[in-house]
Amino acid sequence: QVQLQESGPGLVKPSETLSLTCAVSGHSINSGYYWGWIRQPPGKGLEWIGSIYHSGTTYYNPSLKSRVTISMDTSKNQFSLNLSSVTAADTAVYYCERQSSTVATENWGQGTLVTVSS
Amino acid sequence: QSALTQPASVSASPGQSITISCTGTSSDVGGYNYVSWYQQHPGKAPKLMIYDVSYRPSGVSNRFSGSKSGNTASLTISGLQAEDEADYYCSSYTTSSTLVFGGGTKLTVL
Repeated sequence: QVQLQESGPGLVKPSETLSLTCAVSGHSINSGYYWGWIRQPPGKGLEWIGSIYHSGTTYYNPSLKSRVTISMDTSKNQFSLNLSSVTAADTAVYYCERQSSTVATENWGQGTLVTVSS
Repeated sequence: QSALTQPASVSASPGQSITISCTGTSSDVGGYNYVSWYQQHPGKAPKLMIYDVSYRPSGVSNRFSGSKSGNTASLTISGLQAEDEADYYCSSYTTSSTLVFGGGTKLTVL
């Protein structure tokens, strides 16, 4: 049973970098699948941020691409999200997820709320 | 990339059926059979209900079904139950090798 768990600061100051990590258990992240991040502003819909394939290839939402980096640490079986130059509009619940080859999200983390505020 | 278009809300009585549409373009919904549907209850993570347009993951009730015609995908829920009340989101792969979501539909079971 694959399990994903997000961790990171719940509060980030404007203009700083939001950094989150997703610890994966029950499956090796370098054994296939896409691993990614999705966010949901309070009271709003889902927004795809980006994904990383087990080979290390990354895919990003064009609207966020200039500010996003997703990376993997296979030694710790975890992957990470960095979102730079954040504003209040980046306040959201951030989910890490595992996608199949046809980009269906089969597994979700529980989500972590990140608030951008001074 | 533009979000896929879903109705903001739908409602029906228990036992009835509803269909939620998800309209995109030939660059996403119409171009690939990679449409998924998710159910989200308040305060919870989304749950995959349909993948690859019409396939149900193990454990999902057969009251849920998916289809696609042209640039529009649809989720049908038959025999509505109180527990089906939730937000539903569609998503699709795109020609840019990205993923796009619909705006979400709030289902109310009257």
